[in-house]
Amino acid sequence: GQNIDQPTEMTATEGAIVQINCTYQTSGFNGLFWYQQHAGEAPTFLSYNVLDGLEEKGRFSSFLSRSKGYSYLLLKELQMKDSASYLCAVSLTGTASKLTFGTGTRLQVTL
Amino acid sequence: GAGVSQTPSNKVTEKGKYVELRCDPISGHTALYWYRQSLGQGPEFLIYFQGTGAADDSGLPNDRFFAVRPEGSVSTLKIQRTERGDSAVYLCASSEGTSGNEQFFGPGTRLTVL
Repeated sequence: GQNIDQPTEMTATEGAIVQINCTYQTSGFNGLFWYQQHAGEAPTFLSYNVLDGLEEKGRFSSFLSRSKGYSYLLLKELQMKDSASYLCAVSLTGTASKLTFGTGTRLQVTL
Repeated sequence: GAGVSQTPSNKVTEKGKYVELRCDPISGHTALYWYRQSLGQGPEFLIYFQGTGAADDSGLPNDRFFAVRPEGSVSTLKIQRTERGDSAVYLCASSEGTSGNEQFFGPGTRLTVL
C-alpha cells in the first residue's frame, strides 16, 4: 500500500516563510503534486514534481527527493489568504492518473 | 472559461435511497475523475474515465457505487441504497490527458445521508 504523512496543523505569521513537509512510502512512485484547499472549496493545483530538485513559482516553491521519499512546499511572504489546507498527493507508475492524497496540513496565518 | 461544474451542490437524502451526482468537466478534457472527501481528510480516489470508458474503478468502495460517462463528457456518479457512512463531499476533477497533467477540481457535492 501507500503511506503519505504530513503534519496536521501549522501556524505562521504574516510575512514569514513556512515549510510544509510530506513524506511518502510507495511502490512505483511517479510524481508528486501539491494542492491548496480553502475551507469549503475545491482543491486548486499548486505544483507538480517528477524529478529531484526545487521548482519555484512565485511565492511558492516545491522540492522533491525521490531517494528519500520526501517533498516540501515552501511558502514565502505569507499572506492572510494563504490560510488553507495544503494537500500532498502522489501518483504511481501504471496508475499515473490516480492521485493518492495525504490528509492535508491546515495552515493558519496570523498577524 | 468555465471550470468543472457539479450538481447539486448539496444533497440530503435518507438511508436506503438512491442518489445521482452530476459532473460537467472542462470542455475538451478527456480524463475525468471522482474522489470522495470526508471532513479533515484528503480526497480519496473512486474512479477515473478516459473518454467514455472507466479506466480504473479500483476506488469504488462496493457495488452500490457506479459511474457512467456515456458520451465522454458529462459523468454521473450513482449510489444505490445509501448508507450514513456515504456522507461526504464528492469531488469531480478533469484533465487534458492523464499522467502528470494537472487535475482541475469542481466545487463538489456535499452528500448527507440521514
